[in-house]
Amino acid sequence: DGGITQSPKYLFRKEGQNVTLSCEQNLNHDAMYWYRQDPGQGLRLIYYSQIVNDFQKGDIAEGYSVSREKKESFPLTVTSAQKNPTAFYLCASSPSGPAYEQYFGPGTRLTVT
Amino acid sequence: QQPVQSPQAVILREGEDAVINCSSSKALYSVHWYRQKHGEAPVFLMILLKGGEQKGHEKISASFNEKKQQSSLYLTASQLSYSGTYFCGTEFGNEKLTFGTGTRLTIIP
Repeated sequence: DGGITQSPKYLFRKEGQNVTLSCEQNLNHDAMYWYRQDPGQGLRLIYYSQIVNDFQKGDIAEGYSVSREKKESFPLTVTSAQKNPTAFYLCASSPSGPAYEQYFGPGTRLTVT
Repeated sequence: QQPVQSPQAVILREGEDAVINCSSSKALYSVHWYRQKHGEAPVFLMILLKGGEQKGHEKISASFNEKKQQSSLYLTASQLSYSGTYFCGTEFGNEKLTFGTGTRLTIIP
């Protein structure tokens, strides 16, 4: 079955630790995205990548880093520099071009205490 | 540049109709509509690419007024399964979506 997987579903970390969220897709999509969602809020774009080995900052990139070494994988690292990292993180992918829908993974709920 | 959605929340009885609006302060290339159930991933509903374009999906349809820089989502004869938060995502030609803050729709029997 084609789709996007994110792991783990729930993640708990202590303040000051870096943590990496996994996102894998087998849809052969060129573009991949990371969003952050806070309670009662919309989705805010953290980083996106339209091709392997290239990525761009979104609207709230500070305190986050990404890599795109393989087409199917786009991991997100939440660094200790992110002041308020507790949130629901969603990964998405789409074929290249503005006419295509984005397919979302199930999300990772990160709690930092 | 975040699109403005209205209303923020609406409660309907099963079978009633609703309209959700999405307005942008900047010229749009496309508008995407998604529905999200609590704690789940957003699910794609439809994309509108041209001004004046209307699309339908079962009893859910949408229009795109390019001149007014806005889109509206129409839900007719609502069903319990329509409950959730609806988001519009606006795109300005760079393949990057900017989402509104959402409209929470509650359907009661």
